[in-house]
Amino acid sequence: GDSVTQTEGLVTLTEGLPVMLNCTYQTIYSNAFLFWYVHYLNESPWLLLRSSTDNKRTEHQGFHATLHKSSSSFHLQKSSAQLSDSALYYCALSDDSNYQLIWGSGTKLIIKP
Amino acid sequence: DAAVTQKPRYLIKMKGQEAEMKCIPEKGHTAVFWYQQKQSKELKFLIYFQNQQPLDQIDMVKERFSAVCPSSSLCSLGIRTCEAEDSALYLCSSSQDWGGYEQYFGPGTRLTVL
Repeated sequence: GDSVTQTEGLVTLTEGLPVMLNCTYQTIYSNAFLFWYVHYLNESPWLLLRSSTDNKRTEHQGFHATLHKSSSSFHLQKSSAQLSDSALYYCALSDDSNYQLIWGSGTKLIIKP
Repeated sequence: DAAVTQKPRYLIKMKGQEAEMKCIPEKGHTAVFWYQQKQSKELKFLIYFQNQQPLDQIDMVKERFSAVCPSSSLCSLGIRTCEAEDSALYLCSSSQDWGGYEQYFGPGTRLTVL
């Protein structure tokens, strides 16, 4: 069945360094939608990025990700981390096989001064 | 702005008591999801409604929870007999439809079972 893997449970970085959160997925369907949701403490989770187009860079709020179907990856990146980026980040998958999102286990990002 | 409302924000129950939490989905959204999040980590899918009908739920929900959407503007999730392991943040989300549509989340109900 479908699955999403986020290998890092916790990422701790110093402010100003680049961010890369890994996301890989498995699906037999070619028309996959990949998502990144962000969950700040005491707030509601919200959609950060979404893509279904192969090899196209998607950007929002300083973050970017490119869906690579050849490697089944949708890594989240940012060139320079800010203290305010500290949050939980979830990668998720949707395709024709399921009516719900398949969620990764989440990566907690902590940015230190 | 999208706004999914959840009430109450905080709920404290003793072991064995019943708990109920409510969700008001975004207007016009036909899909409603409930998730359980423990220790600020993994989102665990609980149940999915489409046009107020439950279309999928995990075994735990079938066995110990009660979930309904009596109208398009109200859903509720209940726990018949609370256990310590039920302590978690319960998140409700809604979307225009299933699959590739954005899910809009409420702030959650934090349940503590003592």
